[in-house]
Amino acid sequence: GAGVSQSPSNKVTEKGKDVELRCDPISGHTALYWYRQSLGQGLEFLIYFQGNSAPDKSGLPSDRFSAERTGGSVSTLTIQRTQQEDSAVYLCASSLGAGAPNTGELFFGEGSRLTVL
Amino acid sequence: AQRVTQPEKLLSVFKGAPVELKCNYSYSGSPELFWYVQYSRQRLQLLLRHISRESIKGFTADLNKGETSFHLKKPFAQEEDSAMYYCALYTGANNLFFGTGTRLTVIP
Repeated sequence: GAGVSQSPSNKVTEKGKDVELRCDPISGHTALYWYRQSLGQGLEFLIYFQGNSAPDKSGLPSDRFSAERTGGSVSTLTIQRTQQEDSAVYLCASSLGAGAPNTGELFFGEGSRLTVL
Repeated sequence: AQRVTQPEKLLSVFKGAPVELKCNYSYSGSPELFWYVQYSRQRLQLLLRHISRESIKGFTADLNKGETSFHLKKPFAQEEDSAMYYCALYTGANNLFFGTGTRLTVIP
């Protein structure tokens, strides 16, 4: 597609339920990132994929959060037993890969807004 | 540890006035810094990067290693500049650290 695609765009769930958020990166982009955008918190790094592997999982806030990427393309972020503090916009971004001249140029999706009641 | 600080959450200026959005960083290595912008109802997108030394939409940003700053400046603000601006630091570990953002409002 023309850009990074995320689904669902909006998700309302009840506390304790599991949710899955999907990201379709730009074709050919080998690097994929998940960020969380909360009011007043800026953009919080969650996880990064290079191909299908995740060399940096340091940002995942708890073991309720997990992510996978298959075929070097689509990625899924799963939040188990959701809590109210998980409410945020989850942003996915992709880039051509690590290293110049692509360094730091991330292409973002529109985000998935998660509301946990 | 690396850190990006944007001290102003909100900034309002009048149209035609100069604008400066502040960004300070903390990083022991050689930094690569960026400004990203998110206009209303649009995706977050790259505005400019310090290595390019270019002016985008009239905005410039100079890396000052002595002051560990990368402030974003524009001499004459326009209404269409109203947006959320994020400063970001790339540390070479395939991660881009963002600040908390500054919401700029340009008053007509």
